[in-house]
Amino acid sequence: DAKTTQPPSMDCAEGRAANLPCNHSTISGNEYVYWYRQIHSQGPQYIIHGLKNNETNEMASLIITEDRKSSTLILPHATLRDTAVYYCIVRVASGGSYIPTFGRGTSLIVHP
Amino acid sequence: DAGVIQSPRHEVTEMGQEVTLRCKPISGHNSLFWYRQTMMRGLELLIYFNNNVPIDDSGMPEDRFSAKMPNASFSTLKIQPSEPRDSAVYFCASRRDGGRSPLHFGNGTRLTVT
Repeated sequence: DAKTTQPPSMDCAEGRAANLPCNHSTISGNEYVYWYRQIHSQGPQYIIHGLKNNETNEMASLIITEDRKSSTLILPHATLRDTAVYYCIVRVASGGSYIPTFGRGTSLIVHP
Repeated sequence: DAGVIQSPRHEVTEMGQEVTLRCKPISGHNSLFWYRQTMMRGLELLIYFNNNVPIDDSGMPEDRFSAKMPNASFSTLKIQPSEPRDSAVYFCASRRDGGRSPLHFGNGTRLTVT
């Protein structure tokens, strides 16, 4: 299964867009890209997922490159509450189902 | 939707004692996962159930760890005997069937073994 590479840390000014990159160059054609985030002392929280089209929901936008080897999670107007570790995951299959395997993620700090 | 409920929130115990962590998944979700998180190793999958049946327990570190899911609304993770290196935050997550559905995590149990 495809592995992902993310920068260990990033920072962003409050009110600005936060663009979090993820490299998944070995992704296969039927693998989805998922994003989760983990705020301190809480469990990870699902944000968004996609296959090849760009996706948007109330939390964020996901931009996947045409070759699907990388993606970017965009928080359009970051707030202090968006400070968290962000995980980019591609699906791992076991017994026909999808089991997320988490790497180290990107620690995003949003500053005033 | 009450979310995934884990108890206790914090557990402090002495080495050698038995520890039982509990999880109530979201109603209607039929897959359940136990993860462990430490600074050294990050978030690791321990075991995964589907329809109350253990599917993949390859992440369970050793025989001291066991997990059960007697019904669709309850699961336990037991450590017997506990050791200081078991200190970690243990998360339970559930998912509606259909492999691409996202996981929903509880807020974890912080275990400290002295």
